[in-house]
Amino acid sequence: EDQVTQSPEALRLQEGESSSLNCSYTVSGLRGLFWYRQDPGKGPEFLFTLYSAGEEKEKERLKATLTKKESFLHITAPKPEDSATYLCAVQASSNTGKLIFGQGTTLQVKP
Amino acid sequence: EPEVTQTPSHQVTQMGQEVILRCVPISNHLYFYWYRQILGQKVEFLVSFYNNEISEKSEIFDDQFSVERPDGSNFTLKIRSTKLEDSAMYFCASTPGIRDTQYFGPGTRLTVL
Repeated sequence: EDQVTQSPEALRLQEGESSSLNCSYTVSGLRGLFWYRQDPGKGPEFLFTLYSAGEEKEKERLKATLTKKESFLHITAPKPEDSATYLCAVQASSNTGKLIFGQGTTLQVKP
Repeated sequence: EPEVTQTPSHQVTQMGQEVILRCVPISNHLYFYWYRQILGQKVEFLVSFYNNEISEKSEIFDDQFSVERPDGSNFTLKIRSTKLEDSAMYFCASTPGIRDTQYFGPGTRLTVL
């Protein structure tokens, strides 16, 4: 069964304190791995798509990496506005495009 | 920038009533999805829709659920007889290609009393 596990569930950082979020997955043929940001009461907002092991994507203070079993979202020198829940989702090559989501990591950045 | 829109933002209904949740996907997108998120839980896939038919549905998407693209712009999710456990945020998503990024709407919060 395709599955996504994210850790930690919650993370508190001081402003400027860099860290990484983990997304471990098992899927029958990975078509793509997606990172989204979700603010309370809002829909997921797209951040990155990764398609193959070794791929990296960057946007401002965020960098996503992918291996054959997991992905990391690195946050460098975070600011309070980076506080949100970060969702990881995978798409299997055999299906019709559905995304399988992890539980998310809720990040709080204190000034 | 084009975005997915959803109405209403919040729907309150009595158990056993029918509800229709509406979505307007991004105009040149071809694949459409509904997901739901019960408070504090994962985002869960409900159904995918392409070329005017359902391409995949989850175990959650039973006979009480249906989807429709009635006029080439709207994409609707109907729940025929709501249950308390249907209370959740419902998200619509769309994408131009099956491998491309899915863009999500802001969601409809459904509360069943």
